[in-house]
Amino acid sequence: SSELTQDPDVSVALGQTVRITCQGDSLRSYYASWYQQKPGQAPVLVIFGKNNRPSGIPDRFSVSSSGSTASLTITGAQAEDEADYYCNSRDNSENNVQFGGGTKLTVL
Amino acid sequence: QVQVQQWGAGLLKPSETLSLTCAVYGGSLSRNYWGWVRQPPGKGLEWIGEFSQSGTTNYNPSLRGRAAISVDRSKNQFSLKLSSVTAADTAIYFCARVDRGVLPPFYYYYYIDVWGKGTTVIVS
Repeated sequence: SSELTQDPDVSVALGQTVRITCQGDSLRSYYASWYQQKPGQAPVLVIFGKNNRPSGIPDRFSVSSSGSTASLTITGAQAEDEADYYCNSRDNSENNVQFGGGTKLTVL
Repeated sequence: QVQVQQWGAGLLKPSETLSLTCAVYGGSLSRNYWGWVRQPPGKGLEWIGEFSQSGTTNYNPSLRGRAAISVDRSKNQFSLKLSSVTAADTAIYFCARVDRGVLPPFYYYYYIDVWGKGTTVIVS
């Protein structure tokens, strides 16, 4: 079955730029959505659609996509960005909703 | 601003039925999709299922028919029942609001913009 694949761990130096990727066939027809989750909290939507941020999400978060890969970019990572990040999409052919396995972002 | 509040039994024995309810404030079940997501301890997010504005439901095939979502529009609430639970169903369960659709030229979108705080369910 189709799935979304993410790197389990990514690190970035404070103030630098980091890219978190998500790969899956469904992303050829779906925009990936992205969620940030900190320990003990519910996920928070950070990016949806082509490149939209909900109110309150800093503009250092952006996305891009190419083929079956979507990428979340944090430009100038801050200490508060340290969290788990999940991508999300839907597979029309299987009528199923998918989440990536998550990427743990460490800000050094 | 739409908010959701969820509740339900937190400790179950194997073979029992999990039952959770989510109340919606500031929004309508007749708009958007609504559903459930869970997260086993130390693991990632797993979609359970959802229902549409018209009441059509859709579930994760991996649950093999054990999940059922019902809606009480008079109370603006929806519920999840998961039957025959095992230790593998131990997780934090979140209720959620979904927005989905299609944008030109023909690209789909799906996202969850409202999340409940989560209910921890332990099967032991």
